[in-house]
Amino acid sequence: GAVVSQHPSWVICKSGTSVKIECRSLDFQATTMFWYRQFPKQSLMLMATSNEGSKATYEQGVEKDKFLINHASLTLSTLTVTSAHPEDSSFYICSARDPVQGMGYGYTFGSGTRLTVV
Amino acid sequence: QQQVKQSPQSLIVQKGGISIINCAYENTAFDYFPWYQQFPGKGPALLIAIRPDVSEKKEGRFTISFNKSAKQFSLHIMDSQPGVSATYFCAASIGTSGSRLTFGEGTQLTVNP
Repeated sequence: GAVVSQHPSWVICKSGTSVKIECRSLDFQATTMFWYRQFPKQSLMLMATSNEGSKATYEQGVEKDKFLINHASLTLSTLTVTSAHPEDSSFYICSARDPVQGMGYGYTFGSGTRLTVV
Repeated sequence: QQQVKQSPQSLIVQKGGISIINCAYENTAFDYFPWYQQFPGKGPALLIAIRPDVSEKKEGRFTISFNKSAKQFSLHIMDSQPGVSATYFCAASIGTSGSRLTFGEGTQLTVNP
C-alpha cells in the first residue's frame, strides 16, 4: 500500500530558530500533499495544500511567511516553521494522495512530527 | 457547508460490545467518506471508506453504514477489544485529484477489559 514517510518524529528547538519537516511519498508520486496541525484532543486542522512545482495554497489564518512549504518533487514536500515560538508547539502531520489506490481517493498520512519550542 | 459533525466526543464500551460513532454532513457534493483511526503520537490510519452509491461496507469488525438521504454515516465496531481503543475521525471529500479531506471532531474510544 501507499506509504508516506515523515521526518523527524519529534523535534525540540529554541525559540526564534527554524525547523524543517519532511514528508515523502515512498512508493507513489504525489502531485498534491497536505499539511495539518493537531492540538491535543482536537481534530486535524488543514494548514495548507502543497502542489508540486507551484506555490502552496494556505488556509485562512495560516501565516505563509511563518509556515513555508516547498514541494519541489513528486515525492517530497517540506514544511519549515520559521522563527518558531512556543505557541507553534504542536503535532504536525502530512498527507499525500495516491491517485491509484483503492477507489482512487486514497489519502495516506505520515506518522506526524511533535514540535516543541522552548 | 464544509463541516462534518461527529458524535459522541468520547465513548466507553465494555470488551465484546459494539461501538457506534456517528457523523453528519451538509455538502451533498461529498462523494468519499473515510474513517481514520489514530493512536496517541501517531498519524491517522485509514480504517475503511465508502462511497455514496453503497449503503454499507464491512471489513472485519468494522462496518460503515451510509444514509444518503439523511446525509449521515456511521462506524460500527463489533466485538470491541481493548486494542481498538483509539481516537476515530470521520471525514469527507469531493473526489477530485486535489481535494482536501474535511474531518469530524473525533471520538475517543475506550474499551474496558
